[in-house]
Amino acid sequence: GENVEQHPSTLSVQEGDSAVIKCTYSDSASNYFPWYKQELGKGPQLIIDIRSNVGEKKDQRIAVTLNKTAKHFSLHITETQPEDSAVYFCAAIVNTDKLIFGTGTRLQVFP
Amino acid sequence: DVKVTQSSRYLVKRTGEKVFLECVQDMDHENMFWYRQDPGLGLRLIYFSYDVKMKEKGDIPEGYSVSREKKERFSLILESASTNQTSMYLCASSPGLAANEQYFGPGTRLTVT
Repeated sequence: GENVEQHPSTLSVQEGDSAVIKCTYSDSASNYFPWYKQELGKGPQLIIDIRSNVGEKKDQRIAVTLNKTAKHFSLHITETQPEDSAVYFCAAIVNTDKLIFGTGTRLQVFP
Repeated sequence: DVKVTQSSRYLVKRTGEKVFLECVQDMDHENMFWYRQDPGLGLRLIYFSYDVKMKEKGDIPEGYSVSREKKERFSLILESASTNQTSMYLCASSPGLAANEQYFGPGTRLTVT
């Protein structure tokens, strides 16, 4: 079936460094790619999304890039801060109606 | 402010019990979803609904059923709970057609003993 692979599963960075999380998807018809952040004890919350008609999108310290040919997309966090520590999930739309999520990346930012 | 609420944060049930997990959204969203979250497996879709009284199977519907009698409420039912259904259950809602932001509730951590 359709799937989304996400790497790495854990990521530790020093405060101020950049963090990159990568995902690949299998359904070439996918056209919507959101990223969610889940803090401890909370549900996931959308932080940024990208649609297939653009290659990059930025929102302050967060950016997402999309390579449709290679079927992969990435989340970039610059100038990381301790409050960026959380679990991050990528996702891709499948069959125009379902989101398939990656397995998650636990990001730890050390002061 | 957007809000999805789930009836319980923590729940402990015994094997064989019938379990109801309730989810309510106050955003007048058409779409509602139930996921389970397990370490290393991410979020997996159990059931979803595009409208009142409509339901569609997700990727792992076995052992579960759902009910959507009102637009704002989507219930997940475990007909006969088993230990392998111990998990975190997340409800979400989204507006209109697909490919939109999903808003998640805080989750219910269910333990079946």
